[in-house]
Amino acid sequence: EAGVTQFPSHSVIEKGQTVTLRCDPISGHDNLYWYRRVMGKEIKFLLHFVKESKQDESGMPNNRFLAERTGGTYSTLKVQPAELEDSGVYFCASSQGPGRYTFGSGTRLTVV
Amino acid sequence: KNEVEQSPQNLTAQEGEFITINCSYSVGISALHWLQQHPGGGIVSLFMLSSGKKKHGRLIATINIQEKHSSLHITASHPRDSAVYICAVERGGGADGLTFGKGTHLIIQP
Repeated sequence: EAGVTQFPSHSVIEKGQTVTLRCDPISGHDNLYWYRRVMGKEIKFLLHFVKESKQDESGMPNNRFLAERTGGTYSTLKVQPAELEDSGVYFCASSQGPGRYTFGSGTRLTVV
Repeated sequence: KNEVEQSPQNLTAQEGEFITINCSYSVGISALHWLQQHPGGGIVSLFMLSSGKKKHGRLIATINIQEKHSSLHITASHPRDSAVYICAVERGGGADGLTFGKGTHLIIQP
């Protein structure tokens, strides 16, 4: 089966611009998670979708971040406007049930 | 202090050595995960534990719930084991997502 796909793999944008990250989970996985690792820190939870509904978005840093999962398939994470501190690696993971996560390769975002 | 602490942060060893990476956590958990990330690669799930011990090939993971501690062991280490090993916990009480340690950067030299 295809794994969790994220794109782009890398993105370099200027401060103030908008970037949209995409995650395609494993087909049939209702649960989709976004995580982020900023340099030197541990990976942090951002939010969790169950199908198209946001189950928990307590980890979203601020209202410059908007996540969607229309139709309960792929998800997008938009950062608008991007700030320097948004730089990091954004990971997506999906699971069918609790505990069994499959991670994507991540999107490395650099804001300059 | 992080809720999930790993040690060591960095580890360099010679091929063939027995490797131990430790993880301690300070919160109630429903499960603990060991993950692996190769340079430039995605994150791969190695183990999910809620008690006892699991083995897969040369990898062994143990957990002591009372002591809130887990270890990941690699026997007969090989340069291809070089990666970042990450401990992450699923917190109890309905909290969502995984809580991660900072990872252990392992280098196995030939």
